[in-house]
Amino acid sequence: DAKTTQPNSMESNEEEPVHLPCNHSTISGTDYIHWYRQLPSQGPEYVIHGLTSNVNNRMASLAIAEDRKSSTLILHRATLRDAAVYYCILRDVGNTGFQKLVFGTGTRLLVSP
Amino acid sequence: DTGVSQDPRHKITKRGQNVTFRCDPISEHNRLYWYRQTLGQGPEFLTYFQNEAQLEKSRLLSDRFSAERPKGSFSTLEIQRTEQGDSAMYLCASSSGTSGGPFKGEQYFGPGTRLTVT
Repeated sequence: DAKTTQPNSMESNEEEPVHLPCNHSTISGTDYIHWYRQLPSQGPEYVIHGLTSNVNNRMASLAIAEDRKSSTLILHRATLRDAAVYYCILRDVGNTGFQKLVFGTGTRLLVSP
Repeated sequence: DTGVSQDPRHKITKRGQNVTFRCDPISEHNRLYWYRQTLGQGPEFLTYFQNEAQLEKSRLLSDRFSAERPKGSFSTLEIQRTEQGDSAMYLCASSSGTSGGPFKGEQYFGPGTRLTVT
C-alpha cells in the first residue's frame, strides 16, 4: 500500500487559513490523492481529490507539488466546525480494479476561537 | 435523509456472543465497503461489494466475520464468537461507479456502529 505521512496535529485560529501538509514520496503515476476528514463521533467525509493539477471546491483547495511527492490541503478560513482529523490518502487499486481507501492516522486539526 | 445509515449505532455484547450490523447505502450506489476503526487509528478496509458480489476481502476479515449484500441493496456484517479485540467502530461506505476502470470519486460514509465487547 502506498504510504502517506502527515503531522499528528496542527492548531489554527478561527477565520485564519490552514495549510495541512502530506508527503507521499512513493506515489505512482496513476495514484489519485484524496483527502477525507472525520468530525468527532462521525464517519469520514470526503473533502477533495486530485491527480496532478491543483483543485478547488466549496470546502477546500488542494495544491499538488510538481513532482507529486507532496500535497497540501488548504482551508481558506478555518471555522470551529473544521476541527477534525484530516486524512490524506492515496487511491489503492485492488485486483478487481476497485478503489479501497488506505487511511493513516491523519492530522488532528484544532481550531481556537 | 439520503445518506448512508447504519444500525445499531451502539452495541455492547459479551465475549463469545454473535452480533450483526446493518448498513443501508445510498440507494443508487452499487459499491459498498466495510471498514473498522479502533481508537486513535484511521479506518481499516474490511471488505467490498459491487452489487451483490463480494469482490474483495481484507486479511483482517477472519473466519469469524461474514458479510452479505443479498440483493445488492443493504448489507450485513456478522461477527461470530466475539472477542475483546473486536471492540471498534464499524463503518460502512458506499459509492457509485461502473465495473472496472479507475475510481476517481468519493465514498460516502455512514455514522458507524460502535461495538464494545466485555
